[in-house]
Amino acid sequence: QKEVEQNSGPLSVPEGAIASLNCTYSDRGSQSFFWYRQYSGKSPELIMFIYSNGDKEDGRFTAQLNKASQYVSLLIRDSQPSDSATYLCAVYSARQLTFGSGTQLTVLP
Amino acid sequence: ETGVTQTPRHLVMGMTNKKSLKCEQHLGHNAMYWYKQSAKKPLELMFVYSLEERVENNSVPSRFSPECPNSSHLFLHLHTLQPEDSALYLCASSQDQGLNEKLFFGSGTQLSVL
Repeated sequence: QKEVEQNSGPLSVPEGAIASLNCTYSDRGSQSFFWYRQYSGKSPELIMFIYSNGDKEDGRFTAQLNKASQYVSLLIRDSQPSDSATYLCAVYSARQLTFGSGTQLTVLP
Repeated sequence: ETGVTQTPRHLVMGMTNKKSLKCEQHLGHNAMYWYKQSAKKPLELMFVYSLEERVENNSVPSRFSPECPNSSHLFLHLHTLQPEDSALYLCASSQDQGLNEKLFFGSGTQLSVL
């Protein structure tokens, strides 16, 4: 049973701070990794993906992948109240995409 | 219309009813999916269609019946549902399956079974 684990939160950070969201996965053969953002009452939206070890930056978002330790992180710099949402981690392995339960992030003004 | 559209947005049905959820994608993608999202639980994959062929059926009860008449349209037929089937049902599409499986979701159907 492939597992993807996330802290459910809620995670609260002040506006302007760095929000750090973490995700661990059980299948060492996992090959690609995705972060989705889901606002309350809305559907998930893909915001980042990463395939190789290391960091990948896109604007205020940075995805970090460490395959040896089997975790993937999402950093949000200069957090804004509009970043308040649930962030879903998804991991692809063995022909299947598995989602975590999500971490609820609240950015306080 | 752009993206992935789902209808209806909300649905209330009794356990003896038959209803259908509709999904249409305007992105030219090759794969379409049905996911179930329940409170505090991970997204659960129900069905995958690639080029109109069903490639995944994730041990879903037979009271859920998918239909994919073409690469742009996907239906989920519902009959004799149970209260525990109440959830948000999300349709998604992607250009590719596999490593590059980037999903575009519709707005979902919030289903309540009484």
